Amino acid sequence: AQSVTQLGSHVSVSEGALVLLRCNYSSSVPPYLFWYVQYPNQGLQLLLKYTSAATLVKGINGFEAEFKKSETSFHLTKPSAHMSDAAEYFCAVSVVAGNQFYFGTGTSLTVIP
Amino acid sequence: EAGVVQSPRYKIIEKKQPVAFWCNPISGHNTLYWYLQNLGQGPELLIRYENEEAVDDSQLPKDRFSAERLKGVDSTLKIQPAELGDSAVYLCASSLLAGGLTDTQYFGPGTRLTVL
Repeated sequence: AQSVTQLGSHVSVSEGALVLLRCNYSSSVPPYLFWYVQYPNQGLQLLLKYTSAATLVKGINGFEAEFKKSETSFHLTKPSAHMSDAAEYFCAVSVVAGNQFYFGTGTSLTVIP
Repeated sequence: EAGVVQSPRYKIIEKKQPVAFWCNPISGHNTLYWYLQNLGQGPELLIRYENEEAVDDSQLPKDRFSAERLKGVDSTLKIQPAELGDSAVYLCASSLLAGGLTDTQYFGPGTRLTVL
């Protein structure tokens, strides 16, 4: 079965510090991987996605993620946190062959001034 | 370009009452998704349409939930009768391509349902 695990339901960082949000997946076939962000009272918005091209994926708002097959990970990073980055972040995995799409449970990011 | 539109934004009903949610996807998008999001959880797919065909409804509780997408455009999700455990946010999303599991999904703001 395919699934996605986000370690840490809450992460706090200081403004200007590195943001690291963790995502691990389990899949028997190469997956497609996504990071979505949800601001309060808004719908989810795509940050970036991995579709088997470059393993380092750059997204919007300065975020990037690296697909590491050996670690079955797709961690999201940003070099310097901004107050506006405070939101809920969801990792998602898509396995086309299995016709399956799953979101993780989310990580709430707090940015401390 | 208008985004995904959902209505109502908020709904409060008593248990055993029926409720319906409406979604208008982005114009031209072939795939439409309904998700349920419980507090503190990620969205869970209820049903996925490609045009007017429900291609995945395996997670839809069919004893009380129903959905339709007439003419392959807007969609309605219905619950009858509602139970206390149905209190959640119901999200609608759309994507351009059919077979859209790899395509970017665009989400509406959701409908927050409270069942008393």
